[in-house]
Amino acid sequence: EPEVTQTPSHQVTQMGQEVILRCVPISNHLYFYWYRQILGQKVEFLVSFYNNEISEKSEIFDDQFSVERPDGSNFTLKIRSTKLEDSAMYFCASSGPQGSGETQYFGPGTRLLVL
Amino acid sequence: QQQVKQSPQSLIVQKGGISIINCAYENTAFDYFPWYQQFPGKGPALLIAIRPDVSEKKEGRFTISFNKSAKQFSLHIMDSQPGDSATYFCAAAGVQGGSEKLVFGKGTKLTVNP
Repeated sequence: EPEVTQTPSHQVTQMGQEVILRCVPISNHLYFYWYRQILGQKVEFLVSFYNNEISEKSEIFDDQFSVERPDGSNFTLKIRSTKLEDSAMYFCASSGPQGSGETQYFGPGTRLLVL
Repeated sequence: QQQVKQSPQSLIVQKGGISIINCAYENTAFDYFPWYQQFPGKGPALLIAIRPDVSEKKEGRFTISFNKSAKQFSLHIMDSQPGDSATYFCAAAGVQGGSEKLVFGKGTKLTVNP
């Protein structure tokens, strides 16, 4: 069964450093998402991406964050200058090809720890 | 108005019992209501979803009940099994309004005792 994969599974970084979280969505999906889950809290939407551009973003997704689909398979989330409060589990998800209202399939997540 | 409120925070059920988790929302633009199951160390996985044109949807031991006027929906797990022990999240999205983002509840940690 196709699945969303994410690398790395764990990332430890120093405050102020840049991190790139990588995702490989399901191959025929066209819609891509990033969510995060701070320990013990709910899953929160960060951004959605379709047709090589951001379709929606939350107030969390400020100028420190960016997303990119550098090739036909990868989808990345970059945090330019990490803060302590960026420590969380980051989930990539994908849906499609129809998009609207279709099941979002989540990856296993990347646990980011900012020291 | 974007919140989805979920209760209880935790639930302990005996094997064979019924687990019931409730969610409430305020945004009337929400028109897609999925439930996700999450095991430790894994990403959320879709369990079952409903749209507001029906009041109930059943898939195996899992049933969603939906009350549009009360803006509430619930997950019922019949004949609960130890393997159902996980965290369950309700969510909502306003897909007809062009928003794909899922707004999640805070989650319910279900423990099914053998």
